[in-house]
Amino acid sequence: AQSVAQPEDQVNVAEGNPLTVKCTYSVSGNPYLFWYVQYPNRGLQFLLKYITGDNLVKGSYGFEAEFNKSQTSFHLKKPSALVSDSALYFCAVRDADSWGKLQFGAGTQVVVTP
Amino acid sequence: DGGITQSPKYLFRKEGQNVTLSCEQNLNHDAMYWYRQDPGQGLRLIYYSQIVNDFQKGDIAEGYSVSREKKESFPLTVTSAQKNPTAFYLCASSIRPTSGRETQYFGPGTRLLVL
Repeated sequence: AQSVAQPEDQVNVAEGNPLTVKCTYSVSGNPYLFWYVQYPNRGLQFLLKYITGDNLVKGSYGFEAEFNKSQTSFHLKKPSALVSDSALYFCAVRDADSWGKLQFGAGTQVVVTP
Repeated sequence: DGGITQSPKYLFRKEGQNVTLSCEQNLNHDAMYWYRQDPGQGLRLIYYSQIVNDFQKGDIAEGYSVSREKKESFPLTVTSAQKNPTAFYLCASSIRPTSGRETQYFGPGTRLLVL
């Protein structure tokens, strides 16, 4: 079975400060990890994914994520947050045996204040 | 939201009524998915289809039905058996899943409300 946890319902950060959104996962085999962002009343937009290779993955809009196998984590980061980064962020995981079935976390609301 | 369209944007259902949500993609993707989103619960998989004329139940299929007669289209019907249909419904597509590495791309969603 696969599962993913986003321990924070909301993250508040001032514009220009670093942003981190946390994600931990549990899978039976090698994990495939994804981050998506959702703006109000819109669909999900793909940000980045980890499949294999470098533990630091770079994605869209200046976001990056660090894969940590020992801590089973895949935290999303941005060095300098913008007000426009305010949105709902979802982490998702899939293991190699689950082909198309993604397991999503509950989401973390990010609020960036000017 | 790319090449995936969902219609309508808002849909109202009366008691005992079946309603159908449309999902069309022009990405030439083999696989398509339907998710339900409720506040604070993330996304839950309703149905998925790897290829035309084939589909499987996801985690919460009860009260829903689908068809996949064309590669581009994967409509979802919310039947009267679904007692709590109010939610935001998201359609997604991907290349045919073979390794687990495939990225799913999402449509803009349909919000279903019960009158």
